[in-house]
Amino acid sequence: AQKITQTQPGMFVQEKEAVTLDCTYDTSDQSYGLFWYKQPSSGEMIFLIYQGSYDEQNATEGRYSLNFQKARKSANLVISASQLGDSAMYFCAMTRRLANSKLTFGKGITLSVRP
Amino acid sequence: DTGVSQDPRHKITKRGQNVTFRCDPISEHNRLYWYRQTLGQGPEFLTYFQNEAQLEKSRLLSDRFSAERPKGSFSTLEIQRTEQGDSAMYLCASSLKLSPFFGPGTRLTVL
Repeated sequence: AQKITQTQPGMFVQEKEAVTLDCTYDTSDQSYGLFWYKQPSSGEMIFLIYQGSYDEQNATEGRYSLNFQKARKSANLVISASQLGDSAMYFCAMTRRLANSKLTFGKGITLSVRP
Repeated sequence: DTGVSQDPRHKITKRGQNVTFRCDPISEHNRLYWYRQTLGQGPEFLTYFQNEAQLEKSRLLSDRFSAERPKGSFSTLEIQRTEQGDSAMYLCASSLKLSPFFGPGTRLTVL
């Protein structure tokens, strides 16, 4: 079974600063994928970034980067230069890479960006 | 717009009634998923289709729930004899390879 843990309380960050959102995971699979999604108050889940377990480099997508530490089973999301529009819920999720793409989600973290 | 669409966006029903939701995936995506999200929680997997075949169902999907994807394109999720505990956001997602893309969701309120 796969498990995602997101334990940070609501996070606050000043506009234009960087913020790290924590995610740890547990799996017995050797091959898996890690995802981050953003969910604004409108409710839609927006895909941000993906990291494969065998990828040697950390994934980056614009202002988003994933700090992947396989030995620690952590996949933290780093948002650089925060913007007011980044205020939302952020979910970490994982999938078994060689099977279907069913996602297992964490409980999410609320991020608030202050002007 | 070529994203995943869901209809309706909101549904209010009385306990005991049946409801049906529709999901239209991104056109070239062969995989389609249904998730349920309750307040303060992450989405929970319900079921998954590859083309028209339903390949996996969660234990969360009681016999009151049924999902179909008859032609491998759009999908429907029906809930029979709704209960107050069914109140949630129902999310549909589609994928071609690994990264599922989600629709806006259908928010169900059972009175």
